[in-house]
Amino acid sequence: IAGITQAPTSQILAAGRRMTLRCTQDMRHNAMYWYRQDLGLGLRLIHYSNTAGTTGKGEVPDGYSVSRANTDDFPLTLASAVPSQTSVYFCASSARREGTGELFFGEGSRLTVL
Amino acid sequence: GENVEQHPSTLSVQEGDSAVIKCTYSDSASNYFPWYKQELGKRPQLIIDIRSNVGEKKDQRIAVTLNKTAKHFSLHITETQPEDSAVYFCAASFTGGGNKLTFGTGTQLKVEL
Repeated sequence: IAGITQAPTSQILAAGRRMTLRCTQDMRHNAMYWYRQDLGLGLRLIHYSNTAGTTGKGEVPDGYSVSRANTDDFPLTLASAVPSQTSVYFCASSARREGTGELFFGEGSRLTVL
Repeated sequence: GENVEQHPSTLSVQEGDSAVIKCTYSDSASNYFPWYKQELGKRPQLIIDIRSNVGEKKDQRIAVTLNKTAKHFSLHITETQPEDSAVYFCAASFTGGGNKLTFGTGTQLKVEL
């Protein structure tokens, strides 16, 4: 079934550890995004990529890095996790590069940093 | 950058009644306004969107209105049903904005029997 796959679905992590959340899409969408969802704060953009080989910072990029080596994959890395990064992380993709098309979300990755 | 405010944060209605969720945005350059629905434990999914060249758009029981002068847009759900219970997010973005779709903080809608 076409769509976006995220892994892991859930993870408990010790503070200071490095963690990579994986995201793969098979819709050949140009644009991909990482959002974090926190109660009362909605969905906040961490990083985005308009096309393979390019990335950009969103609203809350500090402590996170991304790469876009190819069209399908867009991993999010926490170099040294902190408790404030406890959240649900959603990867998304869009066929339109200019942010004015439907976002297709993955199922989310629940991350707890202790 | 863009700032989107959404109200109310929670909304409870009786089945069959209408529900209205309102959002305001700050950047007059924004020209795309989608609404997403997120059921408990699920991913957000697009339910309707509107572009700045249109004042109103309807899809069955759901409608969205846009007032560009006042910089606000609203989601209207008529004849609410229990399956409408979810969190609804409004969002705004603009062409050439680097894909920065900014979301509101969400409205928890509960449709009571």
